[in-house]
Amino acid sequence: GAVVSQHPSWVICKSGTSVKIECRSLDFQATTMFWYRQFPKQSLMLMATSNEGSKATYEQGVEKDKFLINHASLTLSTLTVTSAHPEDSSFYICSARDWRDYEQYFGPGTRLTVT
Amino acid sequence: AQSVTQLGSHVSVSEGALVLLRCNYSSSVPPYLFWYVQYPNQGLQLLLKYTTGATLVKGINGFEAEFKKSETSFHLTKPTAHMSDAAEYFCAVGGYGNSGGSNYKLTFGKGTLLTVNP
Repeated sequence: GAVVSQHPSWVICKSGTSVKIECRSLDFQATTMFWYRQFPKQSLMLMATSNEGSKATYEQGVEKDKFLINHASLTLSTLTVTSAHPEDSSFYICSARDWRDYEQYFGPGTRLTVT
Repeated sequence: AQSVTQLGSHVSVSEGALVLLRCNYSSSVPPYLFWYVQYPNQGLQLLLKYTTGATLVKGINGFEAEFKKSETSFHLTKPTAHMSDAAEYFCAVGGYGNSGGSNYKLTFGKGTLLTVNP
């Protein structure tokens, strides 16, 4: 089956630093990848949609200069949280859409803690 | 425009009992509908989906859901609950975003936490 990986699975960083999270589709090509944020005991909030080779489309209210998304290849998208602050602490989940159907495959998530 | 409402943020059942998790959707076009399960500190796993065709959809782990257009519902059921079913369940509708464009995306409900009592 389709597998999506995320790295790292958890990260702790100091306030003001930047952290990069990778999302990879391991056995299929993903023309579109999605980045979600999930607060404790809440639903997933879509942050942005990234299409391979083009700029990401951000949802309303998401700062594109703070959450940098790069989708450089059909199997890799990265999310960089720049100048992180404690309020950016959250669970970040990516998903990849298999180009052959409408199904999205989700990564295991990355727990970010900003101290 | 699309939205999802999950009735009941927490459902508790006894082991062996019927599981019923409710989901109602709103969509301006024929919807694609999904149920996902999330275990603590993990990503989402697809349980089942409805795109077209048969309105009763069977998924993994004995779950099934029925698409009822007249009721705009897609409730998830399982005849017999197991302890391993305890998790968070999310209903989602797929479509093109409110801002239009070519980006297909999922809109999630707020989730229902299922607890299974021995």
